[in-house]
Amino acid sequence: NAGVTQTPKFQVLKTGQSMTLQCAQDMNHNSMYWYRQDPGMGLRLIYYSASEGTTDKGEVPNGYNVSRLNKREFSLRLESAAPSQTSVYFCASRTEGDSTDTQYFGPGTRLTVL
Amino acid sequence: AQSVAQPEDQVNVAEGNPLTVKCTYSVSGNPYLFWYVQYPNRGLQFLLKYITGDNLVKGSYGFEAEFNKSQTSFHLKKPSALVSDSALYFCAVRDEGYGGSQGNLIFGKGTKLSVKP
Repeated sequence: NAGVTQTPKFQVLKTGQSMTLQCAQDMNHNSMYWYRQDPGMGLRLIYYSASEGTTDKGEVPNGYNVSRLNKREFSLRLESAAPSQTSVYFCASRTEGDSTDTQYFGPGTRLTVL
Repeated sequence: AQSVAQPEDQVNVAEGNPLTVKCTYSVSGNPYLFWYVQYPNRGLQFLLKYITGDNLVKGSYGFEAEFNKSQTSFHLKKPSALVSDSALYFCAVRDEGYGGSQGNLIFGKGTKLSVKP
């Protein structure tokens, strides 16, 4: 049981390049999330997926796209990277129900855009 | 709109002393509140949550949090700090929205806890 996995761990891009961040969970969760973490800003929600086949914008969606490929996988794509997208990206999945409601986070991807 | 505030960017504590990391919230209904911890170069780990019931919630690693409705606070506490508790701590509130957004978390900006020997 690996929990939430993310690839790659580190990435350096040049402005204008594209890339896809991969995320997978093996806990059979319906809901999955993508966050970015910047110093002094906490975690900000980029996109989320409440169930397979649905995706919705979060607080900071501009410059990103997502795909919920199946129940396990939720990818984040940067079509044309910008220096403002330099950040640490976290994927999470969530157990549902009031008593069990918890989000589980992956180890993160540290992205630098030059 | 819902929000969470962590008024301290950093908290410094001597090992063995009690620690408190502060969190206040703003919601229109009953809050679902969470604390997460992030160790250096790691993802966030769940510590504890308040849904309903006892105002004192016990969590992992000896941490507890006190829910205070009148002060709209949910402070994280530990009776005796360890050097290994040094990390970044995040308070969060569950989104009250409807449909797919319900269950999303709104995070505070985080508080860095430094425990010195």
